[in-house]
Amino acid sequence: ETGVTQTPRHLVMGMTNKKSLKCEQHLGHNAMYWYKQSAKKPLELMFVYSLEERVENNSVPSRFSPECPNSSHLFLHLHTLQPEDSALYLCASSQGVSASGEFLKQYFGPGTRLTVT
Amino acid sequence: AQSVTQLDSQVPVFEEAPVELRCNYSSSVSVYLFWYVQYPNQGLQLLLKYLSGSTLVKGINGFEAEFNKSQTSFHLRKPSVHISDTAEYFCAVRRTGNQFYFGTGTSLTVIP
Repeated sequence: ETGVTQTPRHLVMGMTNKKSLKCEQHLGHNAMYWYKQSAKKPLELMFVYSLEERVENNSVPSRFSPECPNSSHLFLHLHTLQPEDSALYLCASSQGVSASGEFLKQYFGPGTRLTVT
Repeated sequence: AQSVTQLDSQVPVFEEAPVELRCNYSSSVSVYLFWYVQYPNQGLQLLLKYLSGSTLVKGINGFEAEFNKSQTSFHLRKPSVHISDTAEYFCAVRRTGNQFYFGTGTSLTVIP
């Protein structure tokens, strides 16, 4: 399997549930990203990991917790979410992040469509 | 709070016509500025960036942007568009530190 894969593709969860989103990249990249894409809202960069170290955290609520155990895997742990957290969550990878903050070309996964009820 | 405003959500333009996609940001500190493009079913790709120096920045595919500090703008321009330029364009700002913000995106449609 090649590229960037995400599981599950669809997830419905209640506000008291705990779930995790998984992302795996088979491209030999060193950086991985979580984005949130909501309807009629800006694409939101949530977290950036470079060489398995978190280098970016854009004021994301603590109910979202990322984990990057190695350069090929990225998780997003979810707990006590709110209905407004319903969105498409996209994972991406790239060869790295430059010193000026430029993201080298990113490859996106298909996303996980999350619905919080 | 930092914000990035892309004034036009959709821009239709005829092939070979010029186009300008507008971006304004709010910041009282130094920033780095970026334009990214997202072609259908693909990831973000860097078009150009402003870090310092000349305010006119040239990028890939014939695009350029001008940094205007007094107007806090970073508008993207191309003198003659092609069908292949149809895509979603995102303006982004990175503050010195580790905060990175995107605009809402502008959907450019090139009409044959």
